[in-house]
Amino acid sequence: AQSVAQPEDQVNVAEGNPLTVKCTYSVSGNPYLFWYVQYPNRGLQFLLKYITGDNLVKGSYGFEAEFNKSQTSFHLKKPSALVSDSALYFCAVRGPRDDKIIFGKGTRLHILP
Amino acid sequence: SAVISQKPSRDICQRGTSLTIQCQVDSQVTMMFWYRQQPGQSLTLIATANQGSEATYESGFVIDKFPISRPNLTFSTLTVSNMSPEDSSIYLCSVEVTAGEQFFGPGTRLTVL
Repeated sequence: AQSVAQPEDQVNVAEGNPLTVKCTYSVSGNPYLFWYVQYPNRGLQFLLKYITGDNLVKGSYGFEAEFNKSQTSFHLKKPSALVSDSALYFCAVRGPRDDKIIFGKGTRLHILP
Repeated sequence: SAVISQKPSRDICQRGTSLTIQCQVDSQVTMMFWYRQQPGQSLTLIATANQGSEATYESGFVIDKFPISRPNLTFSTLTVSNMSPEDSSIYLCSVEVTAGEQFFGPGTRLTVL
């Protein structure tokens, strides 16, 4: 069965510093990996995905994520954090033959001014 | 991408009653999904709804409690039946656009008294 883990409930980063939000996964076969963001009182927004190709994928709002097959990880990164990046971030995974996406429990990102 | 609307955006209901949530998409899609999310928590998949077939429910969710309709490729409804306070949550619909990428509606915030 597929699963995804976000080991940090909360991450605090000073504005202007690089940020990383961690995600590890377990799936049979090659994974489809996703990051979503949820701002307060709003729905989920798609950030980026990895299906195949370059291990480093770029997404919306300057975010990127690196697929590491040996470590089964898909960490979300941004070189310079903004206060407006403060939100709840979800990592998600889908198996190659599955219809459904499984979401992690979420990591709350606080960017400190 | 896809633009998804949900009605109602929020409601307060009495226990024992039922509420039907509508999900409308601006384009034809094969797969639609219904999720439940406690505020600030992860998403739990309730069921997958394909047009022309019965919805597929996840473990812990049953059709008698959460009947789903999918009359065409742009619309679906989820009914929360015989509600109790434990059903208080945010209910989200989503659609799959390409290669496992899902877009989400804004959600319906349900409070059961």
